Amino acid sequence: KAGVTQTPRYLIKTRGQQVTLSCSPISGHRSVSWYQQTPGQGLQFLFEYFSETQRNKGNFPGRFSGRQFSNSRSEMNVSTLELGDSALYLCASSQSGQGFPYEQYFGPGTRLTVT
Amino acid sequence: DQQVKQNSPSLSVQEGRISILNCDYTNSMFDYFLWYKKYPAEGPTFLISISSIKDKNEDGRFTVFLNKSAKHLSLHIVPSQPGDSAVYFCAASARSQAGTALIFGKGTTLSVSS
Repeated sequence: KAGVTQTPRYLIKTRGQQVTLSCSPISGHRSVSWYQQTPGQGLQFLFEYFSETQRNKGNFPGRFSGRQFSNSRSEMNVSTLELGDSALYLCASSQSGQGFPYEQYFGPGTRLTVT
Repeated sequence: DQQVKQNSPSLSVQEGRISILNCDYTNSMFDYFLWYKKYPAEGPTFLISISSIKDKNEDGRFTVFLNKSAKHLSLHIVPSQPGDSAVYFCAASARSQAGTALIFGKGTTLSVSS
């Protein structure tokens, strides 16, 4: 089975711009979660989508948003970029039925640099 | 407030010896725990998990121990190999919460020397 894929792998943006990152989960996985990794804060949960619905949300401002399509592919968007948004953005997929956590499998990440 | 803590930022071990990585948690609602390994420029790789109904889970060279009363878990790697050198993250999840958000510790960098 192919793993989780994320595009693009690297991105450089300017403050104030917006960015869209894409994630394709493992075939058959219906849950997609997004995480932000920074040196200071470690890996922090952004949000999770399951069957095109946001099921859980972390403590991030509304500038961070996402969506999931009917084929389980997901995108996340960050608007009005700030320097502090520079990070590795990781997508993870899991089988995830209702109410029971399954192992999440991560993609390679998108390295976003905001200048 | 950090709900999952890995208090040792780094650990150095000789090849062939045991590596023990520790993790503490504060949220008593957590009932599922996972360990991930991460190399630079790659996403975390799932290693092993344990449910709160167990106190031990083993997979090859990797064993995870869970002490619920102490809210502590540990990952044992025996024998350690140079290829195990990476950052190891402990993560926790609560079945009762909606979805499958994982709460991560900040990681421990393991260096295995030959």
